[in-house]
Amino acid sequence: DVKVTQSSRYLVKRTGEKVFLECVQDMDHENMFWYRQDPGLGLRLIYFSYDVKMKEKGDIPEGYSVSREKKERFSLILESASTNQTSMYLCASSFRAQPQHFGDGTRLSIL
Amino acid sequence: AQTVTQSQPEMSVQEAETVTLSCTYDTSENNYYLFWYKQPPSRQMILVIRQEAYKQQNATENRFSVNFQKAAKSFSLKISDSQLGDTAMYFCAFMKHEGGSQGNLIFGKGTKLSVKP
Repeated sequence: DVKVTQSSRYLVKRTGEKVFLECVQDMDHENMFWYRQDPGLGLRLIYFSYDVKMKEKGDIPEGYSVSREKKERFSLILESASTNQTSMYLCASSFRAQPQHFGDGTRLSIL
Repeated sequence: AQTVTQSQPEMSVQEAETVTLSCTYDTSENNYYLFWYKQPPSRQMILVIRQEAYKQQNATENRFSVNFQKAAKSFSLKISDSQLGDTAMYFCAFMKHEGGSQGNLIFGKGTKLSVKP
């Protein structure tokens, strides 16, 4: 079974902090994704990556950046956290056009 | 650009009954995939069922089946013999078959399904 592991289930940070959300997958998948999930809005794509050191902006990249230094790890970075970034963050991975596999999610609160 | 619409924000069904969740989508692509994902209260998103657009036969997975109407761009999910464990958010999603952004999912806003004892 594919395992996508997100480093934290719950995280509380302060406004202005630099926040790192980590995601690791164990199936040698090329594709990795970061989503934000908010009630009534569904899942919105923040960034995705098709290969190491490669990244593409999704629908809502503002205020975020990503890093993919190794194939199995995809990090989401909030450069200067703001209260409107309080949300559930989901990481996913996939092989080409196969279904995506998701992590458990990180519920991030910015105070 | 592709869009996915789930018109039912919330639904409920009695245990053992059948329920159908609606999904429509808009695309100019001819080859694509459609998915239903389930997110239980524990939060991990799980794939329920997948449909390739070039296949006319509707996909089935045990109690879960779809009604895929390509011309109408409709992709509904039917859950038979509903169980308490089916309580979850259900998301319909679209993926292009090839070309740029291959592998990217476009999600609907979700339908919250409650199965009542």
